[in-house]
Order: sequence, then C-alpha cells, then structure tokens
Amino acid sequence: ELKVEQNPLFLSMQEGKNYTIYCNYSTTSDRLYWYRQDPGKSLESLFVLLSNGAVKQEGRLMASLDTKARLSTLHITAAVHDLSATYFCAVEDRGSTLGRLYFGRGTQLTVWP
Amino acid sequence: DAGITQSPRHKVTETGTPVTLRCHQTENHRYMYWYRQDPGHGLRLIHYSYGVKDTDKGEVSDGYSVSRSKTEDFLLTLESATSSQTSVYFCAISETGQGFSTDTQYFGPGTRLTVL
Repeated sequence: ELKVEQNPLFLSMQEGKNYTIYCNYSTTSDRLYWYRQDPGKSLESLFVLLSNGAVKQEGRLMASLDTKARLSTLHITAAVHDLSATYFCAVEDRGSTLGRLYFGRGTQLTVWP
Repeated sequence: DAGITQSPRHKVTETGTPVTLRCHQTENHRYMYWYRQDPGHGLRLIHYSYGVKDTDKGEVSDGYSVSRSKTEDFLLTLESATSSQTSVYFCAISETGQGFSTDTQYFGPGTRLTVL
C-alpha cells in the first residue's frame, strides 16, 4: 500500500514569511495532487503534477514534483492570512487502473499578522 | 465548480441503525468515490465505482456497502451504524481513472455523520 507523509502537520507562520510543506511517498508514482480545505468545507484542487520536474505556480503557492526522490513540495511565498487552511497532498497509485489516490494527513497552516 | 451534491449534509443517528448517504453528480463522470475524513488520518477511501453497477472496495470498507444503479448517483450504506463510523464523508468524482491529462478528483460538500 502506498504511504504518504506530510511535514509539518501544523504550521504557524507570520504574514510575509516563506515556508515549504513537504510530501513524501513510498512507492513509484509520477502523479501528485495538492488540495486545500477550509474549516468545515470541502476539498479544492490546487495543483496537478503529472511528471518528474513538474512545477506549477498560482499566486503565492508553488508546487513541484521530484519523482526520483518521491517528494513534492508546496512552497509559500510572502504568506497572507487568506492562505490559512489545511493542505493535503495525494499520490496516485499508478499500479491501479482506477487511478486511486492516497492522501497525506494534511498540513494545518495558520498565518498570523 | 463540479456539480456534486451530497445528502443529507448532517445526520445524527443511533448505534445499530441503518444509514444511507447519497452522492449525486451532474457531470456524467464515470468514476465516483466515497471517502471518510477523520482527524489525524487525512482522507481514506471506502469504496469506489468505475461505472454503473461496477464497484470495488477501498482501504476502509468494512461495515459499508455501496450501490450505483445510475451514472449520476452513488449510495453509501452503513448497514448497522457504530460509533466508530462517526466521521465526515466526502464523495468525489473524476472523468477518468488513470489521471489522463489534467484529470483530478472533484469533491462534494461532505456529510457530517454522528453515531450515538
């Protein structure tokens, strides 16, 4: 079974600062997804990374994928309060025709003034 | 936003009671999924469907059954609810199952289920 580990699980950061969330996974995959969840809400798709070296950016968030290291990062630049949420990475099981996803436990991000 | 609705949105029930949750989509997507979300566990797959009447188990399927008689509806049934099934349940859909192109899973609003 594919294992997905996110670090850190809790992140408290000041506005204007930079930080990186890490997502490690246990078996070969070249498809990784990042989602955002606001409290009491559903999951919103942020990024879809489909190959080694893929990099996607949206606003203050940038995601990358290194399939050799089995690692994805979500980098936050100059954080603002609106980025406060829980961020999940999910890795696709490429051995499954379903494209089954395995989720990390999530990183709860709090941005304070 | 993907057209996914879940009903009910909130439910409180008693141990031993059967419960059915409904997921309805208007996107005509082939693949549908049921997840549960618990603190500290992320999302875990319960069951999934890859077409009408085609379903299979996920990683936490014990105590749950599903049915899909129409493309747009995917039902999750707890035959005899237990307190350990208190959770938030999310339905998701995807157009393809193999992650072609930029395919991703789109999630419904969730159902908060409490089993007393």
